[in-house]
Amino acid sequence: NAGVTQTPKFRILKIGQSMTLQCAQDMNHNYMYWYRQDPGMGLKLIYYSVGAGITDKGEVPNGYNVSRSTTEDFPLRLELAAPSQTSVYFCATRGQGMDSPLHFGNGTRLTVT
Amino acid sequence: KQEVTQIPAALSVPEGENLVLNCSFTDSAIYNLQWFRQDPGKGLTSLLLIQSSQREQTSGRLNASLDKSSGRSTLYIAASQPGDSATYLCAVRRRGSGNTGKLIFGQGTTLQVKP
Repeated sequence: NAGVTQTPKFRILKIGQSMTLQCAQDMNHNYMYWYRQDPGMGLKLIYYSVGAGITDKGEVPNGYNVSRSTTEDFPLRLELAAPSQTSVYFCATRGQGMDSPLHFGNGTRLTVT
Repeated sequence: KQEVTQIPAALSVPEGENLVLNCSFTDSAIYNLQWFRQDPGKGLTSLLLIQSSQREQTSGRLNASLDKSSGRSTLYIAASQPGDSATYLCAVRRRGSGNTGKLIFGQGTTLQVKP
């Protein structure tokens, strides 16, 4: 039972390149989230999904896209990487119930130069 | 707009000391408040979740309190140990967020417990 798995752990991109951050979960949770964490800041919500086929924007969606074709996977796509997207990205899941806690992956550290 | 603040940003204490971490929020209309721990290079681990109708929750040496009327929560750590060194974040789930479960996070307090 791996929980929430994020790949890759680290990545360096050049400006304008694209990439997909992977997130997979084996907890059968419907709710999945992508957050970014900048130094000294709290986590900001990028996108979220309440179930397969359903996604919606969070606080800071610009420059990102997501898809949710299965319950298990929730990839985050950067199409034209910019230095402002240098950050640590966390994927999280939540089970049913208003008071279910979040479960986080270990993050992807992305640098755009 | 809901804002969550944690002060101080960093705290250093000697081993064995009892300590309190603070979290404040601007809008008292919340479903719940969670405290998380983050170790360097790792994701967040949920420590305690307090429902809006509760005043406190306890887990081992940790005790979290919630005062909605004043917009404050505290995380009390008893008899601190070097292994408690980490960043502690609080987050609120505000009313009106439906069943999306979206959380608003504070910036975190980085705790160092010195042997």
